Amino acid sequence: QSALTQPASVSGSPGQSITISCTGTSSDVGGYNYVSWYQQHPGKAPKLMIYDVSKRPSGVSNRFSGSKSGNTASLTISGLQAEDEADYYCCSYAGSSKVFGTGTKVTVL
Amino acid sequence: QVQLQESGPGLVKPSETLSLTCAVSGYSISSGYYWGWIRQPPGKGLEWIGSIYHSGSTYYNPSLKSRVTISVDTSKNQFSLKLSSVTAADTAVYYCATHFGPGLKGAFDPWGQGTLVTVSS
Repeated sequence: QSALTQPASVSGSPGQSITISCTGTSSDVGGYNYVSWYQQHPGKAPKLMIYDVSKRPSGVSNRFSGSKSGNTASLTISGLQAEDEADYYCCSYAGSSKVFGTGTKVTVL
Repeated sequence: QVQLQESGPGLVKPSETLSLTCAVSGYSISSGYYWGWIRQPPGKGLEWIGSIYHSGSTYYNPSLKSRVTISVDTSKNQFSLKLSSVTAADTAVYYCATHFGPGLKGAFDPWGQGTLVTVSS
């Protein structure tokens, strides 16, 4: 199985909205509604931000939203804040396995 | 509230077997959920290693399957990872995590803090 494809970096100014894409195949992203997104700050463990494509865990800001179209899932961060600067990873169920994305570094300008 | 804590040697010699344990608190492994291992080489992305159910059913990353064994000890409320024939490419921070949701499909939450394992002679 190959890693899901994410852009290496995305940047935006405070208050703006950004979108991170996560492209897979019909065997993973496109085949199941089990895509999750994780935020990771330097030296810290990843934190779940979105699960089952578009659901937010309790305590996660509603500025974070997820969606999917075909073989591509997306994470949108609206009202970008300095604290959102981190690495973001998508992850998909792939039928008896899990596969992560390549990761995206979000920079707040 | 489920909490996980990884433990094990921080240094392993090439060709030897890496062994880690994840202690679970706040929840009984026997009650359900899948439990997983994920790793992250320094400066690189996340890689799923494999996951186990309390019954012992396991699922492994196809690229690591020949070298990985994950087991569960319900009496100690912990699960373990063994990775054989390690090389420098196996140097990484190793995380354990719970599958939050329906079986293997569930997202990873929560995570342990991670433990760095270096493969070097």
